[in-house]
Amino acid sequence: EAGVTQFPSHSVIEKGQTVTLRCDPISGHDNLYWYRRVMGKEIKFLLHFVKESKQDESGMPNNRFLAERTGGTYSTLKVQPAELEDSGVYFCASSLRLAGYGDTQYFGPGTRLTVL
Amino acid sequence: SQQGEEDPQALSIQEGENATMNCSYKTSINNLQWYRQNSGRGLVHLILIRSNEREKHSGRLRVTLDTSKKSSSLLITASRAADTASYFCATDARVETSGSRLTFGEGTQLTVNP
Repeated sequence: EAGVTQFPSHSVIEKGQTVTLRCDPISGHDNLYWYRRVMGKEIKFLLHFVKESKQDESGMPNNRFLAERTGGTYSTLKVQPAELEDSGVYFCASSLRLAGYGDTQYFGPGTRLTVL
Repeated sequence: SQQGEEDPQALSIQEGENATMNCSYKTSINNLQWYRQNSGRGLVHLILIRSNEREKHSGRLRVTLDTSKKSSSLLITASRAADTASYFCATDARVETSGSRLTFGEGTQLTVNP
């Protein structure tokens, strides 16, 4: 069974440009999460989808970030326009059930975003 | 202050020794998970322990959870050079509206010297 995949693995863009990150969760997982780790700090939650609906987007830093999950399958995270402080590693995770029920979140390899 | 805090921040040991990492948290949790991240790679899930469990084993890994002290420990026995990685604890807090977000600590960097 394929794990969580993310594309691209690394993206280098200039300040002001737009970047779109993609995440394909494990097949059948309704729950999809985005996290990020900036500047070697702790990994922080961004948002949570249940199928195509945003369950919790309280971790999104500002309105330059837009996440979608079309049809409840893959998800995209767009940063527009990108700023220097957006540099970091963006992780996607998926789970079959809510983690509150003792379920595991499986993480993808991450996308390393560098904003110059 | 953050929910999960690992201790120590960095640990260097010799191959064959045991490594113990600790994690403290502040709010009530549903469960606690430990993850490993090898340099430049993704997070690999190691073990999940529920709030009503006190100890769990998986191969060379042993995790304990003390909810009264709001702390957990990860023990890796007979360490190998391949265990060199960053280790993170992540808690799933009891939140009425959505209890599924994970809160991570800053991690412990473990170096196992051959």
